[in-house]
Amino acid sequence: RKEVEQDPGPFNVPEGATVAFNCTYSNSASQSFFWYRQDCRKEPKLLMSVYSSGNEDGRFTAQLNRASQYISLLIRDSKLSDSATYLCAGSLGGGNKLTFGTGTQLKVEL
Amino acid sequence: ETGVTQSPTHLIKTRGQQVTLRCSSQSGHNTVSWYQQALGQGPQFIFQYYREEENGRGNFPPRFSGLQFPNYSSELNVNALELDDSALYLCASSTTGSSYNSPLHFGNGTRLTVT
Repeated sequence: RKEVEQDPGPFNVPEGATVAFNCTYSNSASQSFFWYRQDCRKEPKLLMSVYSSGNEDGRFTAQLNRASQYISLLIRDSKLSDSATYLCAGSLGGGNKLTFGTGTQLKVEL
Repeated sequence: ETGVTQSPTHLIKTRGQQVTLRCSSQSGHNTVSWYQQALGQGPQFIFQYYREEENGRGNFPPRFSGLQFPNYSSELNVNALELDDSALYLCASSTTGSSYNSPLHFGNGTRLTVT
């Protein structure tokens, strides 16, 4: 079993839709979690950190469920510019050594 | 604030050769991590450097080695290149503290092609 698992997609959604991604992790001792966005042939860029209490940044909401060992990302009112690959990552080895999932591809269409 | 910069952006090498990739960390960051990202995969942790010493290593053979310099910049060296080493190599800088570790911020990567 992979340490961090994501559905690779692609998720094809119409503009304005709400889309949710989940990511599961295997190490219950994991401390910190993040969502990164990666555009084609570019570097990953930090989208948001994920906290147990949930956190929101504009149209984006991230949630951590430690009991079920998954994190989620909700995107409301999708824009064409949201089309990208979304990577979840956890500090499974402690500190800030991150383990990434394979990424979920999102395509927002007119 | 200066971000993470990597050089070169692209590189083509032949199997068996050696390569050195360079990274300048973001201003104020003391830790550098290197990742390998193959096509269609997430980044895989190679190793991390903190205070000029290796501070954790992923599942990569010894022919992958690194250095961190006093100004926190770093190098990744790969010896005896193999075709499977073709990938995007990402450097990420962060801050390691006694009670807080900052998220990783990535450079724009070096795309290595081994033929």
